[in-house]
Amino acid sequence: KNEVEQSPQNLTAQEGEFITINCSYSVGISALHWLQQHPGGGIVSLFMLSSGKKKHGRLIATINIQEKHSSLHITASHPRDSAVYICAVHPNTGNQFYFGTGTSLTVIP
Amino acid sequence: ETGVTQTPRHLVMGMTNKKSLKCEQHLGHNAMYWYKQSAKKPLELMFVYSLEERVENNSVPSRFSPECPNSSHLFLHLHTLQPEDSALYLCASSQDYSGRELFFGEGSRLTVL
Repeated sequence: KNEVEQSPQNLTAQEGEFITINCSYSVGISALHWLQQHPGGGIVSLFMLSSGKKKHGRLIATINIQEKHSSLHITASHPRDSAVYICAVHPNTGNQFYFGTGTSLTVIP
Repeated sequence: ETGVTQTPRHLVMGMTNKKSLKCEQHLGHNAMYWYKQSAKKPLELMFVYSLEERVENNSVPSRFSPECPNSSHLFLHLHTLQPEDSALYLCASSQDYSGRELFFGEGSRLTVL
């Protein structure tokens, strides 16, 4: 079983819709990351969270440490948001990151 | 632009070829990583170098051979690969081995025929 589970695996939305991607993890963590991977392959970091909530433009990330759960929200989605979104955690013990399998998002004009 | 550059971006090789993937980071980081990304699977850590010393080798077959000549450069030498080794190979760096943030390159898409 993977230490990080994401849902849904695939998501198709109409432009303008509000989108939520969920991440649950099973280990104690020092940080959680939301990553974005475009079809070209490169991965960029959107957020690093250890508590609460962060906002950057139309993207909002929240984390509940007690419930070991995080969500990534996209407001007013746009076709350029189409990408794979990956949740990753840095555990309290050890140095290896654990990654989810990613959520593939397609936003249709 | 993440400060981590990988070449080549695409590579097609036969099972008997020898090739290398290159990674360079311009961030002054002390730790560098190779990850393998296959379809529908989480990223798999292959190797970690910290201050040019290999600190992790996640049971990777010997047909993959890493090299870290200095803290800015990382290579993955490939020889006698199998078709199931076809994947996206991602290089990453972090400030140090316990760093909580990774910076990724664009990846090298490898196809083994």
